[in-house]
Amino acid sequence: EAGVAQSPRYKIIEKRQSVAFWCNPISGHATLYWYQQILGQGPKLLIQFQNNGVVDDSQLPKDRFSAERLKGVDSTLKIQPAKLEDSAVYLCASSQRQGQTEAFFGQGTRLTVV
Amino acid sequence: GENVEQHPSTLSVQEGDSAVIKCTYSDSASNYFPWYKQELGKGPQLIIDIRSNVGEKKDQRIAVTLNKTAKHFSLHITETQPEDSAVYFCAASEGNNRLAFGKGNQVVVIP
Repeated sequence: EAGVAQSPRYKIIEKRQSVAFWCNPISGHATLYWYQQILGQGPKLLIQFQNNGVVDDSQLPKDRFSAERLKGVDSTLKIQPAKLEDSAVYLCASSQRQGQTEAFFGQGTRLTVV
Repeated sequence: GENVEQHPSTLSVQEGDSAVIKCTYSDSASNYFPWYKQELGKGPQLIIDIRSNVGEKKDQRIAVTLNKTAKHFSLHITETQPEDSAVYFCAASEGNNRLAFGKGNQVVVIP
């Protein structure tokens, strides 16, 4: 079974630029999550999708972050404009259904904002 | 919201010894508690989980215990091996099914 795929693996941008991350979840997984992991901390949920609908985006900084999951499969997370404090690893995860089931994580995209 | 804390932040053990990591949570409504292992440059990988209707669960050298009254759960690794060296995260599910993660424990197994 293929895992969660993310790209790119690494990205370096200047502050105020924009950046986009892509995620392809495990086939058949209805729930998709985007997490932000700052160095030395645990992952923090940014947004959760159930199919192509948003379930929880309460911790997403909506003035600069946006995410979509068209057709309920792939997802993109965008930051515009980026700030220095956005430097982190952005993790995508998926699970078969919403809630308390095993979530599989991708390798993440390491973003550095300079 | 849910607040999850892990102790200790760093743990060094001799190969073959046991390692124990403890997590506390704040929301008594939480009922799902997974543990993730994260190696350098990789995403977190689920290694074991427990639900609130169970007090203990074991999978080979790994076990998790849950004390709902005290609101803490622990990860036990027996017969540690160098490949167990990693950062371990505990998490708890909140009422809206969002997972709240702890800050992680760095486990170092000394050969």
